[in-house]
Amino acid sequence: GEDVEQSLFLSVREGDSSVINCTYTDSSSTYLYWYKQEPGAGLQLLTYIFSNMDMKQDQRLTVLLNKKDKHLSLRIADTQTGDSAIYFCAESPYTGKLIFGQGTTLQVKP
Amino acid sequence: NAGVTQTPKFQVLKTGQSMTLQCAQDMNHEYMSWYRQDPGMGLRLIHYSVGAGITDQGEVPNGYNVSRSTTEDFPLRLLSAAPSQTSVYFCASSYSSLAGETDTQYFGPGTRLTVL
Repeated sequence: GEDVEQSLFLSVREGDSSVINCTYTDSSSTYLYWYKQEPGAGLQLLTYIFSNMDMKQDQRLTVLLNKKDKHLSLRIADTQTGDSAIYFCAESPYTGKLIFGQGTTLQVKP
Repeated sequence: NAGVTQTPKFQVLKTGQSMTLQCAQDMNHEYMSWYRQDPGMGLRLIHYSVGAGITDQGEVPNGYNVSRSTTEDFPLRLLSAAPSQTSVYFCASSYSSLAGETDTQYFGPGTRLTVL
């Protein structure tokens, strides 16, 4: 079945790099997504990667995709306190449907 | 564009009451979805629609009804509220998927529902 797994919590110091990992099960997903949710707010799309790509870089964000192992990661360089939030990995087995992981809470210590 | 809007932002119901959560989008998106978010469980799909007049069940549809009479609106109805439906509800919309296009979903701000 469709399933997405993430670790629940990550704590880093300001200025360090953060790496949030995700595994998924549906190899037919065309796109994989990273969403950010700040306290009390909705979900904001951070970035996405097409399934035939290995890497995508967008300013401080780097997404790595290992399709063989069905592993997705999000690296945030020079992590800031404003990056503290919950990060959700999601796969899209078909249009209109997203399967989300449980979310990783990122805590950035000054 | 206002994007995806949801009303109300907060709601408290008593067990057995009914209500409708409203969702509207002004981006002419064909696809619309409802999710619920519970602590430690991520977001789970309740119902979705691929166009006006077409709806289908998601992962957790029991206790909820939807309809899609227009492209813009996708209301979610709770017929007889239960404490297990206490959650944060998010509506989302996306373009139809075309070759080379992402079907990125855009989310509303959410409705926080408490059922006593």
